[in-house]
Amino acid sequence: AQSVAQPEDQVNVAEGNPLTVKCTYSVSGNPYLFWYVQYPNRGLQFLLKYITGDNLVKGSYGFEAEFNKSQTSFHLKKPSALVSDSALYFCAVRDGSSASKIIFGSGTRLSIRP
Amino acid sequence: DVKVTQSSRYLVKRTGEKVFLECVQDMDHENMFWYRQDPGLGLRLIYFSYDVKMKEKGDIPEGYSVSREKKERFSLILESASTNQTSMYLCASSHGPTKAFFGQGTRLTVV
Repeated sequence: AQSVAQPEDQVNVAEGNPLTVKCTYSVSGNPYLFWYVQYPNRGLQFLLKYITGDNLVKGSYGFEAEFNKSQTSFHLKKPSALVSDSALYFCAVRDGSSASKIIFGSGTRLSIRP
Repeated sequence: DVKVTQSSRYLVKRTGEKVFLECVQDMDHENMFWYRQDPGLGLRLIYFSYDVKMKEKGDIPEGYSVSREKKERFSLILESASTNQTSMYLCASSHGPTKAFFGQGTRLTVV
């Protein structure tokens, strides 16, 4: 069965510092991995995905994520945090079949202090 | 852009009522999903549909059913609403194993 773990409920970072939001996954076969962001009173917005290819993928708003197959991880990163990055972040995984479920983690609240 | 529309942003229902949550997508996606979102628990999959009239249970299907009679519409049904079903409900759709697009959510309160 597929599963996703986000070990940190909250991550606090000062503006201008680098940030990392952690995610580990379990899936049969090759993983399709995603990060989504949710701002207050808004729906989920897609940030980036890994399907195949380069282990470092770049997404919206300057975010990137690194796929590590041996550690089954897909951590979200940004070199320099902005106060506007404060939001709820979700990692998700699905297998590569056309009719596959999407399983989400429990979410990490990112708080950027000025 | 893909649009996923949920029929209501806010709903208040009484315990024991039958509740219908509707979701429509406009991009001919074959996959549609219903999740509930609760603080600290993330998004939990209730049901998933990969084609018209086809459905699979997710992680928490108890107390819910679904209907997909047309490709663009996926309905979530609470047969007899209970207070523990008070939550934010999110609908999503996708083409194949690619990224999913989400609706704005329906905040359901059962009193």
